[in-house]
Amino acid sequence: KNEVEQSPQNLTAQEGEFITINCSYSVGISALHWLQQHPGGGIVSLFMLSSGKKKHGRLIATINIQEKHSSLHITASHPRDSAVYICAVRAKGQNFVFGPGTRLSVLP
Amino acid sequence: ETGVTQTPRHLVMGMTNKKSLKCEQHLGHNAMYWYKQSAKKPLELMFVYNFKEQTENNSVPSRFSPECPNSSHLFLHLHTLQPEDSALYLCASSQGGGVVGEQYFGPGTRLTVT
Repeated sequence: KNEVEQSPQNLTAQEGEFITINCSYSVGISALHWLQQHPGGGIVSLFMLSSGKKKHGRLIATINIQEKHSSLHITASHPRDSAVYICAVRAKGQNFVFGPGTRLSVLP
Repeated sequence: ETGVTQTPRHLVMGMTNKKSLKCEQHLGHNAMYWYKQSAKKPLELMFVYNFKEQTENNSVPSRFSPECPNSSHLFLHLHTLQPEDSALYLCASSQGGGVVGEQYFGPGTRLTVT
């Protein structure tokens, strides 16, 4: 069974800080998905990656397949980045398994 | 806007009621999903439809009954629910056909069972 863990569970940062959220999983995967959930409940896809690194604006996602670990970085954080960030992983032939989420608050 | 819509956004129902949740996607995807998100718990997959065929039922109680009349629409019929079924119900879609791609989520229906 694939277990997905995220750290930290909760994170408070000051506006402008560099933020890192971590995701680790227990079995080999074919894809990893970073998602953002705002207080209203809606979920937005940020990245889907299977190797290396992806960048979109102030967001960067990296994955290390050998170490079974991924990180989501936010540069120059802003209060509008406040949300729950969810990591989901998919083993080959399986559906996504979701982590518990990291709740981020960015203070002005 | 993710291209996936859900109605209603909020629903309060008694344990003896029957109601339905609706999901519609405008992305041309072939796979659709129902997820349940309870307070302080990760998203739980409930059902998967691929090209209108149910390909996964994640041990969901029979008081939840999905229906997928075509690749763009997905329903979740609810009857005789329990208070512990109160949660956020999320619909998602992706490219199907055996390759589970990036998922696009609807805004969710917040269900309260009284």
